Amino acid sequence: NAGVTQTPKFQVLKTGQSMTLQCAQDMNHNSMYWYRQDPGMGLRLIYYSASEGTTDKGEVPNGYNVSRLNKREFSLRLESAAPSQTSVYFCASSQQGNSNQPQHFGDGTRLSIL
Amino acid sequence: GENVEQHPSTLSVQEGDSAVIKCTYSDSASNYFPWYKQELGKGPQLIIDIRSNVGEKKDQRIAVTLNKTAKHFSLHITETQPEDSAVYFCAASIDNYGQNFVFGPGTRLSVLP
Repeated sequence: NAGVTQTPKFQVLKTGQSMTLQCAQDMNHNSMYWYRQDPGMGLRLIYYSASEGTTDKGEVPNGYNVSRLNKREFSLRLESAAPSQTSVYFCASSQQGNSNQPQHFGDGTRLSIL
Repeated sequence: GENVEQHPSTLSVQEGDSAVIKCTYSDSASNYFPWYKQELGKGPQLIIDIRSNVGEKKDQRIAVTLNKTAKHFSLHITETQPEDSAVYFCAASIDNYGQNFVFGPGTRLSVLP
């Protein structure tokens, strides 16, 4: 049972380059999320997709775009990378329901922008 | 909007002792509070959660307590072991179905042998 799979695990970019981070889940979850994790700041939500075909901004969306390709896949794109986007990026998924459900996380993509 | 504070930021305990991590939240509408453990190089993993209609929940050596009036909740780990060393995050839901959360900044727990 793979859960949430993120690729790549590590990436180094130069300022101005573009890149897409991939995320796939095999738990048949409706909702998917992208977070960034910076030292001392916990997890901050970038974008989320409550269901296939919908996306919404989170706390820190500037400089990012997302695509909910299908129910399984949710990608995050940096169009023109900046050093401030150096971070660890986590994808998560959860089952939408009538009560609160926990989120399940992948192991992250460690992104450095020079 | 919701704000979650977490204390302490670092915690060192001797193996076998107990560890307590506390979180406070600001939005009284929050009604679901998960706790995550993050090991080095891994993503956060859910270890326990509590809903607002419950005051305490226990799972083996881990327990969580919730005080809705004071708007705080705590993680208790008893009989700590070296493998409990990790970063722990609390979170509070910010919508009715808990699809979105605000996370605390994390507590780095070190269990010394």
